[in-house]
Amino acid sequence: DIQMTQSPSSLSASIGDRVTITCRASHSISTFLNWYQQRPGKAPNLLIYDASTLQSGVPSRFSGSGSGTDFTLTISSLQPEDFATYYCHQSYSTRGTFGQGTKVEVK
Amino acid sequence: QVQLQESGPGLVKPSETLSLICTVSGGSISSYYWHWIRQPPGKGLEWIGHIYYSGDTHYNPSLGSTIYNTSLKSRVTISADSSKSQISLKLTSVTAADTAVYYCARGGPLVKGAFDFWGQGTLVTVSS
Repeated sequence: DIQMTQSPSSLSASIGDRVTITCRASHSISTFLNWYQQRPGKAPNLLIYDASTLQSGVPSRFSGSGSGTDFTLTISSLQPEDFATYYCHQSYSTRGTFGQGTKVEVK
Repeated sequence: QVQLQESGPGLVKPSETLSLICTVSGGSISSYYWHWIRQPPGKGLEWIGHIYYSGDTHYNPSLGSTIYNTSLKSRVTISADSSKSQISLKLTSVTAADTAVYYCARGGPLVKGAFDFWGQGTLVTVSS
């Protein structure tokens, strides 16, 4: 199995801050890396796929980068609606696996 | 716009079978993968398995197996009914550890296997 490790598990930030979340895969996954945002009580929502491609309708303040084993999700200027939990997910292997999540909280 | 809606019992007794249906509207189930994913209360996401519209399935082996006629059989079964645009999930021999919100989601080749549409999820509690 490919293990996905996110860091940090939580962070506190203010409106307007630049936020970076990292995800590391236990094996190379090329760019088969996706990011989701989950608000409380809601289903996850796809933000970025193929490591850096913004899903339709997602604000441009979200960006992704990386390949192989190391990946990053960046929010350039945090907005009130961005306080949520973020998950990375690898779709390289048939058995897709998720990171444990990063909760972005109000500072 | 594609929409997914999970339905099924919210309470299942231990050792019984959990059965859920995902109804897809606004699009065909053809040419896509259809996944089940679950999330125990307060925890992260776990992929359960998927079915391709052609019927090919893959399951998460960590969900365990049962012995059926002397061979191991996954606890999970996913099937599709294209005439009804429905994807079903069956999970046998449930325990409290199977208590979770269950989501169905679409995986598409255009998004490199990511899940681009999700249902709203349905909470299933395993309890006597």
